[in-house]
Amino acid sequence: DAKTTQPPSMDCAEGRAANLPCNHSTISGNEYVYWYRQIHSQGPQYIIHGLKNNETNEMASLIITEDRKSSTLILPHATLRDTAVYYCIVRSRGGNTPLVFGKGTRLSVIA
Amino acid sequence: DTGVSQDPRHKITKRGQNVTFRCDPISEHNRLYWYRQTLGQGPEFLTYFQNEAQLEKSRLLSDRFSAERPKGSFSTLEIQRTEQGDSAMYLCASSLEQSRAFFGQGTRLTVV
Repeated sequence: DAKTTQPPSMDCAEGRAANLPCNHSTISGNEYVYWYRQIHSQGPQYIIHGLKNNETNEMASLIITEDRKSSTLILPHATLRDTAVYYCIVRSRGGNTPLVFGKGTRLSVIA
Repeated sequence: DTGVSQDPRHKITKRGQNVTFRCDPISEHNRLYWYRQTLGQGPEFLTYFQNEAQLEKSRLLSDRFSAERPKGSFSTLEIQRTEQGDSAMYLCASSLEQSRAFFGQGTRLTVV
């Protein structure tokens, strides 16, 4: 079962920042937070991941709270092409665990 | 394109028939995963391989399902005696060890 809780849907105006929250209150010390997204009829696409420090790449920023019980994915300037389902996933640092997906958040970017 | 490749992209089959899907991972990736996704749900894990060894199988993988990765490269997923409930998108992903996974475009199966 997924270890994360996300809102089922969100809207964002084009050009504005999209802030997608995720709760993972039972996360353990050796678990990473991963974010993937899935555009309609495509396979999931990796966005970013982090352990405890904030992370940024060319796609997004990931802000993890100090207690690591929640995080926020930030798309700084959302475009229509960012409309997708965004999945927040907790995964152990080592070992052989596959990604476990929940239902994610359906982000609609509106012109 | 050196991404994960799945074939076919779409498959329509009659109930009771057998179907086989193929996945070609990124060449240096030693881990290969199969997922199933139904409408409105996130992908559900089915099974995964490290090289040619099948290391984990979900309880979703009934006896009618079998997966192989004979030489540690491409993989096949076979469904025998298909049922309407098998209609779904079947996704394959690969990774190098525990690093981030790359997904293919999926095979959409429709059982009529």
